[in-house]
Amino acid sequence: DTGVSQDPRHKITKRGQNVTFRCDPISEHNRLYWYRQTLGQGPEFLTYFQNEAQLEKSRLLSDRFSAERPKGSFSTLEIQRTEQGDSAMYLCASSLQEANYGYTFGSGTRLTVV
Amino acid sequence: AQSVTQLGSHVSVSEGALVLLRCNYSSSVPPYLFWYVQYPNQGLQLLLKYTTGATLVKGINGFEAEFKKSETSFHLTKPSAHMSDAAEYFCAVSESFGNEKLTFGTGTRLTIIP
Repeated sequence: DTGVSQDPRHKITKRGQNVTFRCDPISEHNRLYWYRQTLGQGPEFLTYFQNEAQLEKSRLLSDRFSAERPKGSFSTLEIQRTEQGDSAMYLCASSLQEANYGYTFGSGTRLTVV
Repeated sequence: AQSVTQLGSHVSVSEGALVLLRCNYSSSVPPYLFWYVQYPNQGLQLLLKYTTGATLVKGINGFEAEFKKSETSFHLTKPSAHMSDAAEYFCAVSESFGNEKLTFGTGTRLTIIP
């Protein structure tokens, strides 16, 4: 069990560019979550998957954001036409189906849009 | 809708003193409650959780929290602070029936004074 892995750790991009982040969950975990954390705030829910099915999306997830989890394994989060307001830490987490286990978080991808 | 309020964005305690971090929640159904710790440039690590049963919950690193339904609180305590406890602490709530989205508070930064 190597934990939840996120790649890259840091990304600097110019406004208007597209970026894609990857998350590899703990192998036996069938639920995968994306959260966004801005400076001085707690993480905010973006979306989650059970296996390959995307079950819920937050209103924070505008049409510029898309997430996938093909084959129920790793997940990608893509942001198109990035804006400065997208600068944040993007956190991925995974869990077993039962909610009361709590999540295991990855170390996050810090995005800076310049 | 669920929400979390953490009183005190910054708390400073002397090494060896009692740590008390406050968390109040709002939930329309019986809640699951969590405390996470975040060290600089890292993801969140689960400290402890309350789901059902005993209201006093013990976690890692000597931390514990007590669920008080009448006060809608889940305060985090540690009898004796250690320098390594310096970090950001987040309280989170999820609804226990069919909704595994976590709602986080804004966090409390704990500073330990030597």
